Amino acid sequence: KQEVTQIPAALSVPEGENLVLNCSFTDSAIYNLQWFRQDPGKGLTSLLLIQSSQREQTSGRLNASLDKSSGRSTLYIAASQPGDSATYLCAVFGTLRYKLTFGKGITLSVRP
Amino acid sequence: GAGVSQSPRYKVAKRGQDVALRCDPISGHVSLFWYQQALGQGPEFLTYFQNEAQLDKSGLPSDRFFAERPEGSVSTLKIQRTQQEDSAVYLCASSLRRDTPDTQYFGPGTRLTVL
Repeated sequence: KQEVTQIPAALSVPEGENLVLNCSFTDSAIYNLQWFRQDPGKGLTSLLLIQSSQREQTSGRLNASLDKSSGRSTLYIAASQPGDSATYLCAVFGTLRYKLTFGKGITLSVRP
Repeated sequence: GAGVSQSPRYKVAKRGQDVALRCDPISGHVSLFWYQQALGQGPEFLTYFQNEAQLDKSGLPSDRFFAERPEGSVSTLKIQRTQQEDSAVYLCASSLRRDTPDTQYFGPGTRLTVL
């Protein structure tokens, strides 16, 4: 059974810092990996989807990498801003290609 | 264009009541998913529809949970005889294509509280 782990559960950084959020998964036989953002009381917003054949994907200040062999993905946020404060979740598509398995998320707080 | 919408946004039920949660996916999206998110946890898969066909319901916690998508667009998740452990946020998502690891677009969720 696929398990997705995100450590630490919470992170607090000062504004302007570059930061890395980690995600690990137990079964390397994944198709794609998707990073989401969740604001309190709201649904999930898709940030980036990395195809299994890709090593990384970029959108603005966000860069996500994928290393299937080691079962790891990272989300890099450049020049963090208070508006980046949210919970970030990673999820993987496994052998059932429609089914996402999520981590518990990392709650990020960016201090002004 | 409009995203995924869900109603109601909040639902309070007394234990033993039946509830129905509605999801309107993005127009034209073939695939529809329901997830359950408990407090402090990531979403957990409940069920998957491809058009009107329910292809996977392996995540439904018990036979009190039932989902349908009769015309291949709007979906309803019904919970019968609600229990306190059913309290969670229920998220609906849709994606454009079938049976492929596509970007899933999520609605705002319905927060269910069972007293």
